[in-house]
Order: sequence, then C-alpha cells, then structure tokens
Amino acid sequence: DGGITQSPKYLFRKEGQNVTLSCEQNLNHDAMYWYRQDPGQGLRLIYYSQIVNDFQKGDIAEGYSVSREKKESFPLTVTSAQKNPTAFYLCASSIGVGQGAREQYFGPGTRLTVT
Amino acid sequence: DAKTTQPNSMESNEEEPVHLPCNHSTISGTDYIHWYRQLPSQGPEYVIHGLTSNVNNRMASLAIAEDRKSSTLILHRATLRDAAVYYCILRDGLGGGGNKLTFGTGTQLKVEL
Repeated sequence: DGGITQSPKYLFRKEGQNVTLSCEQNLNHDAMYWYRQDPGQGLRLIYYSQIVNDFQKGDIAEGYSVSREKKESFPLTVTSAQKNPTAFYLCASSIGVGQGAREQYFGPGTRLTVT
Repeated sequence: DAKTTQPNSMESNEEEPVHLPCNHSTISGTDYIHWYRQLPSQGPEYVIHGLTSNVNNRMASLAIAEDRKSSTLILHRATLRDAAVYYCILRDGLGGGGNKLTFGTGTQLKVEL
C-alpha cells in the first residue's frame, strides 16, 4: 500500500535533548512538508521541501532542522532551541510544487512530549 | 494568505445531510478551495477541492458561490465516522509558498444517532 509512515507514534524526551522524527513516503511525491499542531489549534507549517537536497522554512521554523537526502525521506529534528516542543507533528507529501490543485497526503503523526 | 471563516462547531443527526459553510471574502482568482478533515489523533485527510465550479466526489460535494467568496461542503448522509474537524483552506494555485496549506481552527462536526 502506498502512503506516508511516521514513527514512532508517541515519543518522550527530556528537556535539552535533540530528537529526530521520521517521515517516509512511497508515493513517489516530490514535495514533502512538516506541520505542528497544538491542542485545539490548526496545523502550522514548519518546513517544506520541493525536491531532493532542497528545503525552505515555513512559518515556525525556529528550533527545528530538516534534511532531504532522499526523495522518500524527510526527517525533522526538534532541537533544544525549540522553546515549546511538546506537540503533535504531522508529515505530508504532494505530487509536486507548482500550478494546480496539489492536494496533500498526511501521515498518522508523532506525538512528542518533552518534560 | 487569504483567510477563511468557519463556524466553530456544528451538529447533525446520522443519515441526514450536512452543510458546512466557509467564508473567504478575500479569495484571489487563482486560489483553489480545499477541504480537509481530521479525526481525533490522526493526520488530516483530503476531502475535495474546487476552483470555480461545483464538484462532486465519493466523499462529498463542494458548492462554490458564483462570486467565489463563500463555499459549502456537503455531506449527503452523515455517519458517525464523519465526526471530525473540517478545515476549509485556500491554496495558491500558482504554486506560491511551496503550495503550503494554511489551517485555521476548522469546524468540529458532531454526529448523533
């Protein structure tokens, strides 16, 4: 089955530690995205990547870093510089970036708790 | 980014149609109207999109006002599995900003027996 995989579903870390969230897709999509969701709120864009080895900051990139070494993978690192890292993190992909509708497909999410 | 306005919550009975409204008075000519829904503790799911004409798919229908300043997502027969937060989103059809989606707080749909 084609889709987006995020692991783990739940993640717990101590304050001050960096943590990397995994996102893999087998949809052959060019574009990938990372969003953050806080309770009762909509999603906010952290980073996005249009092609391999290229990525751009979204609306709330501070304290986060990404890489895009392979088309299928777009890991997100939550660094110790992120002041409020506890949140629900969602990865998405779309067929590409360009004109047209370009609906996005989302993974199941990773719920990160930092104490 | 052009903004959308949706009611915070709506209720429906099972097996009845549901009309979820969305206002987007600042929509530009190249903005697509997208609808996604999110079940508790899951990632959002694409529902439907449109540009100018009404659209139908297996999940729902999208009715777009003639001036495009509002739209309505129609679930023809609500089921308990349709209980979710529904997001109405405008996306730049020219591909600006990486085709990002800007989510508001959406409409929480409650479906009762």
